[in-house]
Amino acid sequence: EAGVAQSPRYKIIEKRQSVAFWCNPISGHATLYWYQQILGQGPKLLIQFQNNGVVDDSQLPKDRFSAERLKGVDSTLKIQPAKLEDSAVYLCASSLGGHQDYGYTFGSGTRLTVV
Amino acid sequence: GNSVTQMEGPVTLSEEAFLTINCTYTATGYPSLFWYVQYPGEGLQLLLKATKADDKGSNKGFEATYRKETTSFHLEKGSVQVSDSAVYFCALGGNQFYFGTGTSLTVIP
Repeated sequence: EAGVAQSPRYKIIEKRQSVAFWCNPISGHATLYWYQQILGQGPKLLIQFQNNGVVDDSQLPKDRFSAERLKGVDSTLKIQPAKLEDSAVYLCASSLGGHQDYGYTFGSGTRLTVV
Repeated sequence: GNSVTQMEGPVTLSEEAFLTINCTYTATGYPSLFWYVQYPGEGLQLLLKATKADDKGSNKGFEATYRKETTSFHLEKGSVQVSDSAVYFCALGGNQFYFGTGTSLTVIP
């Protein structure tokens, strides 16, 4: 089966610019996650979708980050305006259900550098 | 709340050496525990998991035992190879995953 696809792989932007990341989960996976992985740290959950509804966005900085999952398939994560501290790898993951027992599959991530 | 504390790295070992990476957790309930591995330039891959106390997860020569009494899930391998060089993350499962900070392992020939 195809894995979780993410694009772009790398992005360099100046602070205060905007950027968007795209994720295509594994076909049939109802749950989609966006994680932020800052260098030297473990991934931190930003937002969790179940189909096209938001389950948990408590750690999403909503003043600058937004995410959507139209039609319950692909998802887009946007940052506007970007700050230097947003430099990180943004990981998308998907699973059949919203619980550990279903297992997660991670994409390769998008590495964002804000200068 | 839920959290994972992982042994800090980096760790450098010679090929065929014994590996231990320590992981302890704090959790409510009875979550599953996981080890993920991240090779350079790649995403996270599930290495092994254990779903209840005293379970042992194993894969590719790696093992970890879910110890409820010590709230630990230490990763071990008897003989590491150069190809094992990667970053290893301990994680606590549930409705979302809680990851440790990662331990970088470099194996030298």
